[in-house]
Amino acid sequence: GENVEQHPSTLSVQEGDSAVIKCTYSDSASNYFPWYKQELGKGPQLIIDIRSNVGEKKDQRIAVTLNKTAKHFSLHITETQPEDSAVYFCAASMRWSNTGKLIFGQGTTLQVKP
Amino acid sequence: DTGVSQNPRHKITKRGQNVTFRCDPISEHNRLYWYRQTLGQGPEFLTYFQNEAQLEKSRLLSDRFSAERPKGSFSTLEIQRTEQGDSAMYLCASSSPLVPSGRGAYEQYFGPGTRLTVT
Repeated sequence: GENVEQHPSTLSVQEGDSAVIKCTYSDSASNYFPWYKQELGKGPQLIIDIRSNVGEKKDQRIAVTLNKTAKHFSLHITETQPEDSAVYFCAASMRWSNTGKLIFGQGTTLQVKP
Repeated sequence: DTGVSQNPRHKITKRGQNVTFRCDPISEHNRLYWYRQTLGQGPEFLTYFQNEAQLEKSRLLSDRFSAERPKGSFSTLEIQRTEQGDSAMYLCASSSPLVPSGRGAYEQYFGPGTRLTVT
């Protein structure tokens, strides 16, 4: 079945630096790739997503890139701020799945040091 | 739009007891999902409803688990004869109907979850 691998598991950066989180997926039929931010005690919050017909998408300090050939996608956060500290999850959804269910990566704990 | 709500937020129960969780999706979202998240892991898909029909169940959903979505609005997830291994965060998500352009068809919005602890 579909599998999503996420790296690194933890990431520590200084405030103002950039952070990059990478994910790979196994099923080439995947066509939708969202990223979620989860703060302690809360549910995952959708922060950005990309579809397979797009190579890059930006939203202010956040960007996502997709390489369909290599089957990997990445989250880029620029000018990090302490409030960016959280657990980030990537996910993939398969085209043939009528349900749109998401397969999640294992998560990356991002710590932004002031 | 008040977001997805879940109740209760926390549940502590003794092994062998039954528990039921409720999810209220975003209004007019006809697609509803249940996921389970254990500590340090990403959410894992459990089951999916389109309106009132349960269209997919994960192999993770043993026969002790049952989910319903009467009238296609709120949903309940019941766990019978709870085991310590059922301790987890149970998350509900909803998304809007498919539209011809595909916009909005994929985004899933999660509730705050119900944290279950089985002692």
